[in-house]
Amino acid sequence: GQQVMQIPQYQHVQEGEDFTTYCNSSTTLSNIQWYKQRPGGHPVFLIQLVKSGEVKKQKRLTFQFGEAKKNSSLHITATQTTDVGTYFCAGPHSGGGADGLTFGKGTHLIIQP
Amino acid sequence: GAVVSQHPSRVICKSGTSVKIECRSLDFQATTMFWYRQFPKQSLMLMATSNEGSKATYEQGVEKDKFLINHASLTLSTLTVTSAHPEDSSFYICSASPASGGPSCFGPGTRLLVL
Repeated sequence: GQQVMQIPQYQHVQEGEDFTTYCNSSTTLSNIQWYKQRPGGHPVFLIQLVKSGEVKKQKRLTFQFGEAKKNSSLHITATQTTDVGTYFCAGPHSGGGADGLTFGKGTHLIIQP
Repeated sequence: GAVVSQHPSRVICKSGTSVKIECRSLDFQATTMFWYRQFPKQSLMLMATSNEGSKATYEQGVEKDKFLINHASLTLSTLTVTSAHPEDSSFYICSASPASGGPSCFGPGTRLLVL
């Protein structure tokens, strides 16, 4: 079945440093979504990418969708303590439409002040 | 924006009892809802797809007789963990897919602890 791999599993950064997490799917995706989960919380939707090669920005966050629609990345510039949490990528479980999601294992971002 | 609620937010029960978790879409209709399970420090795993008015579709390895799903209306899906055991202790999260389209919206989750 479809697999979504995400690296790194953990990332320690000093506050102010940049952070990147990478996501790779075993199959071509119709779209990819990114979520943030704070400790003790639930996943919160950040963004959905649909087009090949798409790049979207949300303030300090930059999201990319690969040309082959099999990989994606999330880059945070100048991290802040509020960025702490686990970042998950997720793709449609079996093909799109009203579909459940297959999540990557997530990248735990730990920020040292 | 779209809001999904879950009830209860936290439940502790004895081994062998059944626990019902509700998932509601508060301001939109959802023909499809999804149930996920997340063990500590792990990712979310899709358990089943709940379709209004029809039987749920379960993922491989998820026992349909143990995790009963009912989607009786366009705004409510319930997950019942029957005869719960300690290994069922987990964070159960639902999401609802708006009938109008767009990404699913996740509920706040239910933490289940089975003693």
